[in-house]
Amino acid sequence: DVKVTQSSRYLVKRTGEKVFLECVQDMDHENMFWYRQDPGLGLRLIYFSYDVKMKEKGDIPEGYSVSREKKERFSLILESASTNQTSMYLCASSFIGTEANSPLHFGNGTRLTVT
Amino acid sequence: RKEVEQDPGPFNVPEGATVAFNCTYSNSASQSFFWYRQDCRKEPKLLMSVYSSGNEDGRFTAQLNRASQYISLLIRDSKLSDSATYLCVVNAGANNLFFGTGTRLTVIP
Repeated sequence: DVKVTQSSRYLVKRTGEKVFLECVQDMDHENMFWYRQDPGLGLRLIYFSYDVKMKEKGDIPEGYSVSREKKERFSLILESASTNQTSMYLCASSFIGTEANSPLHFGNGTRLTVT
Repeated sequence: RKEVEQDPGPFNVPEGATVAFNCTYSNSASQSFFWYRQDCRKEPKLLMSVYSSGNEDGRFTAQLNRASQYISLLIRDSKLSDSATYLCVVNAGANNLFFGTGTRLTVIP
């Protein structure tokens, strides 16, 4: 079974703090993603990575950066946390294969509150 | 127009009922389709992939209609434990994944 692990389930940070969200997957997946999920807006892609040291901006990258130094780990960084970044953050991974066999597998989410 | 649209519901159905959700997509080149289930304050979990010929997994049946550009999920003999939000996901290729905002289902005793 695929396991995607996010380091924190709940996090409370102050405005202006630098925040690191860590995600590790154990299935040797090439693709990794960071989403945020907000009521009424659904899931929105922040960044994704299809290989080590590779990254691509998603739909809402502003205020975020990412790091992928190892295949299994994809980190999301909030350079200077702001209250509008309060959200549920979901990491996901998938492998590069035939599209029908490449569903996303999600971590259990990090609920971040910025005060 | 949104890439993927779902009726947000809520759908409130009695136990044992059959319920169906649709999800329409706008990109005719979309290549693969999935249904996810998400419980309150939890992560989405893959329920089933949707294949061209349609597929069934127990009480759940998924269908794809490429001509009309929608996918559907049918749940037969609803259980209380089916109460959740159901998300459709459309893969337009090259990691272009589009999510519906989810359809909320509540199964009532």
